[in-house]
Amino acid sequence: GENVEQHPSTLSVQEGDSAVIKCTYSDSASNYFPWYKQELGKRPQLIIDIRSNVGEKKDQRIAVTLNKTAKHFSLHITETQPEDSAVYFCAASISGNEKLTFGTGTRLTIIP
Amino acid sequence: KAGVTQTPRYLIKTRGQQVTLSCSPISGHRSVSWYQQTPGQGLQFLFEYFSETQRNKGNFPGRFSGRQFSNSRSEMNVSTLELGDSALYLCASSSQAVNTGELFFGEGSRLTVL
Repeated sequence: GENVEQHPSTLSVQEGDSAVIKCTYSDSASNYFPWYKQELGKRPQLIIDIRSNVGEKKDQRIAVTLNKTAKHFSLHITETQPEDSAVYFCAASISGNEKLTFGTGTRLTIIP
Repeated sequence: KAGVTQTPRYLIKTRGQQVTLSCSPISGHRSVSWYQQTPGQGLQFLFEYFSETQRNKGNFPGRFSGRQFSNSRSEMNVSTLELGDSALYLCASSSQAVNTGELFFGEGSRLTVL
């Protein structure tokens, strides 16, 4: 089955700097890659996703890149703000299949 | 629209007991998935239901079971509880619209097994 590895497990970034979280996946059939943000004590929420027919997608300060050949994808957050502090999970699945395989999460701390 | 609702939010059980958790999806959503969240393990897929049928199942023992009703509400059951079953159990619903894969999560049911 699919296996998703996520690095780093913790990341501290000075406010205003950029943060990058990386994930690799094992199943070449996977074609849908979402990122979820989970604030302390809250539910996970989708922040951005990308499909395998696209190499990069941006939404304001957040971007995701996908390298299908290397089977890895990354989350980039620019101009980080205190409200970006949370746990971020990457995931992979086959589109239409609601089974998501999640990475183990990255705890991002923004230092004021 | 109301979000995904899970009950109970917190519960404490002892080893050997069983537990039933409930999930009401967003109105109109027909797919319901369950995930177990533990520190260090992230979110692990338990099973997914669509129109009362289990379509996908994760790698959990048979003690974990679920079902979905005709109104799309879902329940999951864990029998013969073990200490390692202590976790946050998250339910998520999906609209199953074409080209969308977003899962809408509930706030979870936090199970503590003593």
